[in-house]
Amino acid sequence: EAGVTQSPTHLIKTRGQQATLRCSPISGHTSVYWYQQALGLGLQFLLWYDEGEERNRGNFPPRFSGRQFPNYSSELNVNALELEDSALYLCASSLSIGSNQPQHFGDGTRLSIL
Amino acid sequence: QQPVQSPQAVILREGEDAVINCSSSKALYSVHWYRQKHGEAPVFLMILLKGGEQKGHDKISASFNEKKQQSSLYLTASQLSYSGTYFCGTEMGGGSNYKLTFGKGTLLTVNP
Repeated sequence: EAGVTQSPTHLIKTRGQQATLRCSPISGHTSVYWYQQALGLGLQFLLWYDEGEERNRGNFPPRFSGRQFPNYSSELNVNALELEDSALYLCASSLSIGSNQPQHFGDGTRLSIL
Repeated sequence: QQPVQSPQAVILREGEDAVINCSSSKALYSVHWYRQKHGEAPVFLMILLKGGEQKGHDKISASFNEKKQQSSLYLTASQLSYSGTYFCGTEMGGGSNYKLTFGKGTLLTVNP
């Protein structure tokens, strides 16, 4: 069974540009989560999508947005990039919503802002 | 509210035991534990739901004390493969508010 896949692996942008990160969940998983992992801060919750709808978002500005497609894959868009957006962005998927559902993570996209 | 993990880092010799704690200032519904090795994705270890049950996975077990709003991860007879950063993710409510809030992590190093 293929795990969660993310692309690209690395992305280099300059301030003010826009970035698009992509995620394909495990087959059969309907929920997709996005996290930002900056050095020393742990995993910060960004967004949660389920069945094509945004279900919850973390304390991030509106320039962080995304969507989930009918095949449950997801995109994270970051507009007007700032230096502090440099981080590892992790995508996770789960079988369904619920406290007893583990989240399975992809290897992440390393976003570097110059 | 981000849970607080302690210790921040711990160094063990192979075969030694360790305990990692995760505390929250708010009531918890569930606690999830993950391990992340350097340069790799976090890997799911276990979930504990409120009710105080203890779970085990090989020589790694965990407890959840909902009254104290804390969870502890126990690593017994540590192996070199246990090295990595351990994160707890806490859930304070379900439904549309469901989300995991992760601690900053505990770096565990197991030496031969």
